[in-house]
Amino acid sequence: NAGVTQTPKFQVLKTGQSMTLQCAQDMNHEYMSWYRQDPGMGLRLIHYSVGAGITDQGEVPNGYNVSRSTTEDFPLRLLSAAPSQTSVYFCASSYSGIGDGYTFGSGTRLTVV
Amino acid sequence: KNQVEQSPQSLIILEGKNCTLQCNYTVSPFSNLRWYKQDTGRGPVSLTIMTFSENTKSNGRYTATLDADTKQSSLHITASQLSDSASYICVVKIQAGNMLTFGGGTRLMVKP
Repeated sequence: NAGVTQTPKFQVLKTGQSMTLQCAQDMNHEYMSWYRQDPGMGLRLIHYSVGAGITDQGEVPNGYNVSRSTTEDFPLRLLSAAPSQTSVYFCASSYSGIGDGYTFGSGTRLTVV
Repeated sequence: KNQVEQSPQSLIILEGKNCTLQCNYTVSPFSNLRWYKQDTGRGPVSLTIMTFSENTKSNGRYTATLDADTKQSSLHITASQLSDSASYICVVKIQAGNMLTFGGGTRLMVKP
């Protein structure tokens, strides 16, 4: 009963490097989202997907790419890391819709130096 | 602009005491409001969900209230336990689309 699994849990990048944050869910949820959480601020939506092959931008998409080739996986790619992308990233999935009954992963803490 | 404001930002209480967390929102048109509990180093977990017509909803020692007229919600924790130490996040959803508005959270610490 894994739920939503995010890897890695921690990552340090240098400015300009690229990387992929992994997210996988085993609940057969159609809806998946990526959020970032910054100190003192609410979670903000980066990208979301309503099913395999379908993705869309959220509130703060710049500097990030996503793809959804399978129902299970929803990776988030940082193209050229910047210090402003230092944050905690959460992946979430839902069976009923974006924002409904989310199951969240445990998060990836990313530091860009 | 849709906003969710939570107060206080942080709170320390003694084990066994009660506390109330506040959430004020300007989100419109309103669909529902959820309270999440987020343990340190973990993702948020839903505690309650309330729609427009619901005034009160309980989940064990957690009781949420909603006043849709004044756009206020509260989360009351009864007989606090050390395991209640966490951040509590208020989240409001609009009626159409995929947008949620998250509050910044209240960090609660329960001390023995």
